[in-house]
Amino acid sequence: KAGVTQTPRYLIKTRGQQVTLSCSPISGHRSVSWYQQTPGQGLQFLFEYFSETQRNKGNFPGRFSGRQFSNSRSEMNVSTLELGDSALYLCASSLARTSGSIYEQFFGPGTRLTVL
Amino acid sequence: AQRVTQPEKLLSVFKGAPVELKCNYSYSGSPELFWYVQYSRQRLQLLLRHISRESIKGFTADLNKGETSFHLKKPFAQEEDSAMYYCALSSGRNTDKLIFGTGTRLQVFP
Repeated sequence: KAGVTQTPRYLIKTRGQQVTLSCSPISGHRSVSWYQQTPGQGLQFLFEYFSETQRNKGNFPGRFSGRQFSNSRSEMNVSTLELGDSALYLCASSLARTSGSIYEQFFGPGTRLTVL
Repeated sequence: AQRVTQPEKLLSVFKGAPVELKCNYSYSGSPELFWYVQYSRQRLQLLLRHISRESIKGFTADLNKGETSFHLKKPFAQEEDSAMYYCALSSGRNTDKLIFGTGTRLQVFP
């Protein structure tokens, strides 16, 4: 079956602009998580969505937001972009954990955001 | 605080040499730990998880609760093992959030 897809794959923006990234999970997966990957910090958790509800949020400023639609697709938005927001943004999907052990997370290829 | 530490940014070995990628964690409770791998120009993918206790591509990892460690080992490294390796910790029940270490790049020379 098709893997996690992310669009666009590459983005170049300037400071102060805003950006929206999209993630389509594997069919049947209802949990979507977002991570920011940078060379210095590695993978930092942004947020997690399940059944259109934000279930968890990482330690990022309010400029970072997200949502999930009824078909489990998710978007994240970054407003008022800063140079430090340049990173690879990864989306992961899985069967949602409600109890018991966590399911395998499947990652997308990422969106490379460059802020000039 | 929940934390994952990978002390080595880079580990270089020759083909056929043993490999050990270190991972230490901080977690109050019963941890669920994973190793993810990212080969060049490929997606991040799960390598193994501690509850399965299986060997994948010759790699094994044992959870040591006393030392709060989950080191990844392989007795004989292969060139195709060259990749970025991330240790990850499940944040808790009712969440799919993972806490990642900063990663270790493994280089295997011929």
